[in-house]
Amino acid sequence: KQEVTQIPAALSVPEGENLVLNCSFTDSAIYNLQWFRQDPGKGLTSLLLIQSSQREQTSGRLNASLDKSSGRSTLYIAASQPGDSATYLCAATSDSWGKLQFGAGTQVVVTP
Amino acid sequence: DAGVIQSPRHEVTEMGQEVTLRCKPISGHNSLFWYRQTMMRGLELLIYFNNNVPIDDSGMPEDRFSAKMPNASFSTLKIQPSEPRDSAVYFCASSLITSEQFFGPGTRLTVL
Repeated sequence: KQEVTQIPAALSVPEGENLVLNCSFTDSAIYNLQWFRQDPGKGLTSLLLIQSSQREQTSGRLNASLDKSSGRSTLYIAASQPGDSATYLCAATSDSWGKLQFGAGTQVVVTP
Repeated sequence: DAGVIQSPRHEVTEMGQEVTLRCKPISGHNSLFWYRQTMMRGLELLIYFNNNVPIDDSGMPEDRFSAKMPNASFSTLKIQPSEPRDSAVYFCASSLITSEQFFGPGTRLTVL
């Protein structure tokens, strides 16, 4: 069974600093990996989807990498802003139906 | 597109009552997922459908839980009878199979 881990559970950085969020998974036979953002009391917003054939995906200040051999994905957020404060979750799909296995998330606080 | 629509957004009920949660997926999506989120267990997949057919309901906690998808634009998750431990946020998500999943705003259920 796929297990997804996110360390650290919480992170605080000053505004302007680059954010590096880590995600590890146990089964390298994944179909894709998705990063989400969740604001308090809200739903999940999809940030990036990386297919298993891709090494990275970029959207604006966000860049996500995928290394299947080491079972790791990293989300980089450049020049962080207070509005980036949220919980970030990664989720891996290990079957052809799209079933997601979530990590517990990293709670990020960007201080002005 | 309006995104994934869920109703109600909040539900407060008493133990033993029947609860029905509703979801309208994004038009054109052929996969629908029901998740539950709690502080203790994080995000858990309950059941998912492909082309309106239930594929895997192994995440449904007990026989008190049931889900249906009578057509491509509507799904329900029913709890009967409800118990206090069912209190959680229930999310519905939709996608084209193995592609990016989009989540609804969730239904916050409180069972007294």
